[in-house]
Amino acid sequence: SSELTQDPAVSVALGQTVRITCQGDSLRSYYASWYQQKPGQAPVLVIYGKNNRPSGIPDRFSGSSSGNTASLTITGAQAEDEADYYCNSRDSSGNHHVVFGGGTKLTVL
Amino acid sequence: QVQLVQSGAEVKKPGSSVKVSCKASGGTFSSYTISWVRQAPGQGLEWMGRIIPILGIANYAQKFQGRVTITADKSTSTAYMELSSLRSEDTAVYYCARELMSRGGSYNWFDPWGQGTLVTVSS
Repeated sequence: SSELTQDPAVSVALGQTVRITCQGDSLRSYYASWYQQKPGQAPVLVIYGKNNRPSGIPDRFSGSSSGNTASLTITGAQAEDEADYYCNSRDSSGNHHVVFGGGTKLTVL
Repeated sequence: QVQLVQSGAEVKKPGSSVKVSCKASGGTFSSYTISWVRQAPGQGLEWMGRIIPILGIANYAQKFQGRVTITADKSTSTAYMELSSLRSEDTAVYYCARELMSRGGSYNWFDPWGQGTLVTVSS
């Protein structure tokens, strides 16, 4: 099956812009979706597909994709954005399965 | 809007089975796809499988094939995930989530998620 690779940890200064990336062969065929997870809570969808934001998600969150890499960008990071972020996509093995990245811990300094 | 409420925490012995429920409200349950995703302590998310209640069809990640059974009861809008032959490595929080897919199938996403059910496997 496919794999998605994320950097384990990323940090950003308060108010600055940060990009969290997700790499994998499946991303050449499928778009990624992104989730925010805070300690002790269930994941929350923040971006799905090419660059779609669910209602209630601030517009400082955006998504993009190029080749085998999907990116989640937070423009003007806030303290409340400190969390783990996970990407997922469909598995490109043709089995209709799902793959998740290993997650990125975002620290807002 | 759609809400998913899961059953409570479980403590199980190695070799036994656990069955976790996920009750949906809002929307039309039969038209959903419900996936199960687990998260071991301090680890990432791992997709286990899904069910399409209107079709009664389930499919499973290779890793769990033969050990997991996902079912749905349309009359109560409840999905279930049963994991057998439990071992300590199965200690995790288990989440259900509604899975959606774009029209052309170019992406899928999970929203909303249940609150999670902690399953502890210990002798």
